Amino acid sequence: DARVTQTPRDKVTEMGQEVTMRCQPILGHNTVFWYRQTMMQGLELLAYFRNRAPLDDSGMPKDRFSAEMPDATLATLKIQPSEPRDSAVYFCASGLTTGQGGETQYFGPGTRLLVL
Amino acid sequence: GNSVTQMEGPVTLSEEAFLTINCTYTATGYPSLFWYVQYPGEGLQLLLKATKADDKGSNKGFEATYRKETTSFHLEKGSVQVSDSAVYFCALMNSGGYQKVTFGTGTKLQVIP
Repeated sequence: DARVTQTPRDKVTEMGQEVTMRCQPILGHNTVFWYRQTMMQGLELLAYFRNRAPLDDSGMPKDRFSAEMPDATLATLKIQPSEPRDSAVYFCASGLTTGQGGETQYFGPGTRLLVL
Repeated sequence: GNSVTQMEGPVTLSEEAFLTINCTYTATGYPSLFWYVQYPGEGLQLLLKATKADDKGSNKGFEATYRKETTSFHLEKGSVQVSDSAVYFCALMNSGGYQKVTFGTGTKLQVIP
């Protein structure tokens, strides 16, 4: 049963530190999404990649956040420097574009980040 | 722009009760519609979907029908179980290849024995 994996599952850090979250999409999928979930804002799309190219990162604070896909099996989301307001659960999701519409997104278990 | 509005939670039901979670949407064109479910401590997972008007999605006893005339995609289940306790998200994806999904705010369901 193929799954999206994310590491770490939990991260506690101090304000100002760099945080790196990693995601392994399902093998063969060609799209990757990063979401942030908080009680106040709900689910927010941070970044969207197709075939490893960034297509939309309009939801991401550019001054401190960056997202990359160094290869097809790894996506990373970095926060530098981190701030307490970044505390949230960060989800990675992957999918397969078919051009038909209605493609399912497969979510990982999330990284729970707490910035003190 | 696109938007999804779903009923406020939490919804508390007794086991075997009938469930309806309302969802309406605003979108251009002919979006695909989804219900995702999130169990505690986990990521979202697809529950069901419908890709065109009048389609009915169904899974695990849950159903939702794509109603274009009322721009709605209400989730229903005839008899809920304690194991259905979770947060349910209505969502839409525009046609045209860009897979950005617009999610509703989520409705928490608690089923008590």
